Amino acid sequence: GQSLEQPSEVTAVEGAIVQINCTYQTSGFYGLSWYQQHDGGAPTFLSYNALDGLEETGRFSSFLSRSDSYGYLLLQELQMKDSASYFCAVRTLAGKSTFGDGTTLTVKP
Amino acid sequence: EAQVTQNPRYLITVTGKKLTVTCSQNMNHEYMSWYRQDPGLGLRQIYYSMNVEVTDKGDVPEGYKVSRKEKRNFPLILESPSPNQTSLYFCASSSTRTGSPLHFGNGTRLTVT
Repeated sequence: GQSLEQPSEVTAVEGAIVQINCTYQTSGFYGLSWYQQHDGGAPTFLSYNALDGLEETGRFSSFLSRSDSYGYLLLQELQMKDSASYFCAVRTLAGKSTFGDGTTLTVKP
Repeated sequence: EAQVTQNPRYLITVTGKKLTVTCSQNMNHEYMSWYRQDPGLGLRQIYYSMNVEVTDKGDVPEGYKVSRKEKRNFPLILESPSPNQTSLYFCASSSTRTGSPLHFGNGTRLTVT
């Protein structure tokens, strides 16, 4: 089976940097993705790592360490609109996908 | 516009009355998948399809059926809905089965009484 662990809640202030960690256990691991979801809305893709290292996309970066089964999403220059739920997800070569339970990020002024 | 379209957005039904939630994508994606999301939980995969006529069970397939007769459509069928299937459902597609991003529909909020 597959499982992912991420913190349930994170709070930060506008302009700050926040890191959301994700550890996973999976067989047939292919890559780690991150999605953002605003209240009840559709999840939207943020970032993807198949190889070890850092991927940067604007204010968002994602990191993967395959040997540690660990990744994180880094959000810089936080804005109020970044308040949302963030999910890490893995997909296997067989096509199965598993999501973490999500981290609710609250950005305060 | 590239999109995944789910219908209906909201559905209230009674136990045992068969229903279908439709999902269609216009991006020529090979991979399509259904998820359910319950409060405080992540998305749990119900079924997925890697191409026409190819479907596989996800983590929570009991009580659901799917079909993939055409590349663009992937309907979710509840033959005999029960209250524990009350949930928010999302359909998603991607160009490949592994690394490409999942594009999600806007969701279907189902209530079974």
